Amino acid sequence: ETGVTQSPTHLIKTRGQQVTLRCSSQSGHNTVSWYQQALGQGPQFIFQYYREEENGRGNFPPRFSGLQFPNYSSELNVNALELDDSALYLCASSRGGAESEKLFFGSGTQLSVL
Amino acid sequence: AQRVTQPEKLLSVFKGAPVELKCNYSYSGSPELFWYVQYSRQRLQLLLRHISRESIKGFTADLNKGETSFHLKKPFAQEEDSAMYYCALSETDSWGKLQFGAGTQVVVTP
Repeated sequence: ETGVTQSPTHLIKTRGQQVTLRCSSQSGHNTVSWYQQALGQGPQFIFQYYREEENGRGNFPPRFSGLQFPNYSSELNVNALELDDSALYLCASSRGGAESEKLFFGSGTQLSVL
Repeated sequence: AQRVTQPEKLLSVFKGAPVELKCNYSYSGSPELFWYVQYSRQRLQLLLRHISRESIKGFTADLNKGETSFHLKKPFAQEEDSAMYYCALSETDSWGKLQFGAGTQVVVTP
């Protein structure tokens, strides 16, 4: 069983640029959730995708957007990067239904905005 | 609004001593509560969830709706329990959309 994989592992961008982060969900999982984890904080929910549709969003501005593909992999896009966007971005996949609560996390993408 | 509070950033205990990680939440509905753990150089992973009422690696957690708490306990800490622990809440019908606390770093010394 292949686990959740994220790419790239590290990324450095400058303010105002755009970034795309990628996530491959675990085999058999159709739901992908994205989280932002700032230094010293717990993960904060960005949004969730279920069967290619956005299925809930946290308190993040529209410049955070995402996609889910037919193979359930997903992308997180952030436009007009700000310094405060510097964080670890975690992707988590899960099965649907009652097993949705059991999240399987990737190792994350560390984004630094200069 | 902060829904999950973990008041201790760091908890240092001796091997064999009891350990209790505090978690308080703020939610008027019926929450689902979880504990996630991150061992050194490993991914964040689910430790236990209250609906399962299970004991994992000797840890238990009881949901106390009156005190809005979900404290994690283990009677005898082991060195391998050293890790970062996060309490998380899911609102009614918000499957997989978790609100995490800031985490508690547990260090178990021999």
